[in-house]
Amino acid sequence: ETGVTQTPRHLVMGMTNKKSLKCEQHLGHNAMYWYKQSAKKPLELMFVYNFKEQTENNSVPSRFSPECPNSSHLFLHLHTLQPEDSALYLCASSQPTSGSVSEQFFGPGTRLTVL
Amino acid sequence: AQSVTQLDSQVPVFEEAPVELRCNYSSSVSVYLFWYVQYPNQGLQLLLKYLSGSTLVESINGFEAEFNKSQTSFHLRKPSVHISDTAEYFCAVTPDTGRRALTFGSGTRLQVQP
Repeated sequence: ETGVTQTPRHLVMGMTNKKSLKCEQHLGHNAMYWYKQSAKKPLELMFVYNFKEQTENNSVPSRFSPECPNSSHLFLHLHTLQPEDSALYLCASSQPTSGSVSEQFFGPGTRLTVL
Repeated sequence: AQSVTQLDSQVPVFEEAPVELRCNYSSSVSVYLFWYVQYPNQGLQLLLKYLSGSTLVESINGFEAEFNKSQTSFHLRKPSVHISDTAEYFCAVTPDTGRRALTFGSGTRLQVQP
């Protein structure tokens, strides 16, 4: 595997289910991100992790719970979601370096449908 | 805080015609600017970026974008499009210091017709 992978690619869940999204990067990066892509709206940054530590939570509801056990893996745990949470969830990674900008590499996303 | 406006949600164009996708941004600090492309069922890929230096930047597949500070714009252009350029294009910005997370526009769907 190369780049950034995400599993599953598609997920359908009920509002009472608990599920998890997984992201894995094979690029040796130390920063990872979750974004939400909804129809007709800009990509929304949800969480940022640097060296396994959460450095940004963009006012995301607590029904979304991220976990970063190491620099290569990022999870998004989901519980009691609402239909409006249906979207494409994108994971990205980059190599944070002070004083310069590092390109973010994106995974293919997980298409989530909440019934 | 930053914001990005992509003025056109969809741009239909015939093959081999020129195209311009518009992007305007708002920021109280200096920014870096990016264009990402998303092909169907794929994640975003970096197309080109402006960090400093020449205000005209180019990609390997014929796209170019020009940073205009006075108009706070970073429009994307291609003189002759191909069917394979059909995709969604996102403009994004990030401050040149501090926080590195990207702020995206809402995207422009480029539809190239034969």
